[in-house]
Amino acid sequence: QVQLQESGPGLVTPSQTLSLTCAVSGDSISAGGYYWSWIRQQPGKGPEWIAYIHDSGATYYNPSLKSRVTISIDTTENHFSLKVTSVTAADAPLYYCARVDYYGYGLDVWGQGTTVTVAS
Amino acid sequence: DIQMTQSPSSLSASVGGRVTITCRASQRIRNDLCWYQQKPGKAPKRLIYAVSNLQSGVPSRFSGSGSGTEFTLTINSLQPEDFATYYCLQHNDYPWTFGQGTKVEIK
Repeated sequence: QVQLQESGPGLVTPSQTLSLTCAVSGDSISAGGYYWSWIRQQPGKGPEWIAYIHDSGATYYNPSLKSRVTISIDTTENHFSLKVTSVTAADAPLYYCARVDYYGYGLDVWGQGTTVTVAS
Repeated sequence: DIQMTQSPSSLSASVGGRVTITCRASQRIRNDLCWYQQKPGKAPKRLIYAVSNLQSGVPSRFSGSGSGTEFTLTINSLQPEDFATYYCLQHNDYPWTFGQGTKVEIK
């Protein structure tokens, strides 16, 4: 059973870069041809899909965030990552990583989420 | 972007009751729709994929239906553990978009 676990700094200063990592356990990130995704959520709102990546390096970004985000994958470390530049309070607070269903039916496995506070 | 309009935004229901939640897409999305359940402090959990297919391990009191632009999640015989917030997700076109959520509360 694959499991995902996010990690991040917890606190980031406005205008700086937020870096998050999602560790994949229970299977190789490059086995099975899955896509891996980041999603974020603000309190009381629906989640917002950010991006996804394949172990081949193929990526797709939400156009609303594309200029500030970069998703990457490290198959040797079995994790994938997200960087968000020029952060503001609107980039808080909760980020999830998730796996895209093999057949493309949305997101089937999620991490527990990591909280981000943007403050000086 | 495809807008997913979910209704109602909240509802109260009794244990044993029946709940219906609707998602309307701003354009046709074929069968590219999932439903998720989220409890406080937890990640969303997929209940339904491809409109009407039940995720393995999810009780059969959950069901999904619909086509084109209108989709429904129904919960029959509501149980205490079903009180949560529910979201739809369209993955027909980029960017993938979620509904704003329906909070199901105990009456």
